[in-house]
Amino acid sequence: SQTIHQWPATLVQPVGSPLSLECTVEGTSNPNLYWYRQAAGRGLQLLFYSVGIGQISSEVPQNLSASRPQDRQFILSSKKLLLSDSGFYLCAWSVLAGGPIGEQFFGPGTRLTVL
Amino acid sequence: GESVGLHLPTLSVQEGDNSIINCAYSNSASDYFIWYKQESGKGPQFIIDIRSNMDKRQGQRVTVLLNKTVKHLSLQIAATQPGDSAVYFCAENPGSGGYQKVTFGTGTKLQVIP
Repeated sequence: SQTIHQWPATLVQPVGSPLSLECTVEGTSNPNLYWYRQAAGRGLQLLFYSVGIGQISSEVPQNLSASRPQDRQFILSSKKLLLSDSGFYLCAWSVLAGGPIGEQFFGPGTRLTVL
Repeated sequence: GESVGLHLPTLSVQEGDNSIINCAYSNSASDYFIWYKQESGKGPQFIIDIRSNMDKRQGQRVTVLLNKTVKHLSLQIAATQPGDSAVYFCAENPGSGGYQKVTFGTGTKLQVIP
């Protein structure tokens, strides 16, 4: 069965510090991968998606970046965090076309607080 | 469209009553629609989906209705239980190409009153 992992679960970082959040997927190959951010009490904002190794598309301008060094690994990074980067970060995966289209499987999330 | 910047509306329902959560979608070309449930501090979980060639689909205690004419989607939960308390998101998917860019709705917070 497929599983998705995210770490760390919670993180408190000072403004201006770097960030690295990691997401890994098990039990599937060549998934689409996504990073979302969710502010407290609000909806999901798509940050990045990837359809393959080294292929990253950004949805909104920001001081975050994403990388996919391996098929089932997705990393969200920042060189200098801003207060506005605080939120709940969710990684998700879905199958490529040909499978059950639409359903995305979400990880447990990382709660980031920037002080 | 994107749900960023919008506060979640709240629906309060008495335990045992039926709940109806509504969603308006924007893309008339969307092929697939999904409802997700997000409990506090967790990632969203898939509840049920429906294709655009259907107008109703039933699951266990849940029913999704699709009205393409007015671009409206609803989730009905029968005999609502305290464990149903969560935020519910609808999502639409154009269903084309290898990348499934799902667009999430604003979300509705369901509070079940014991």
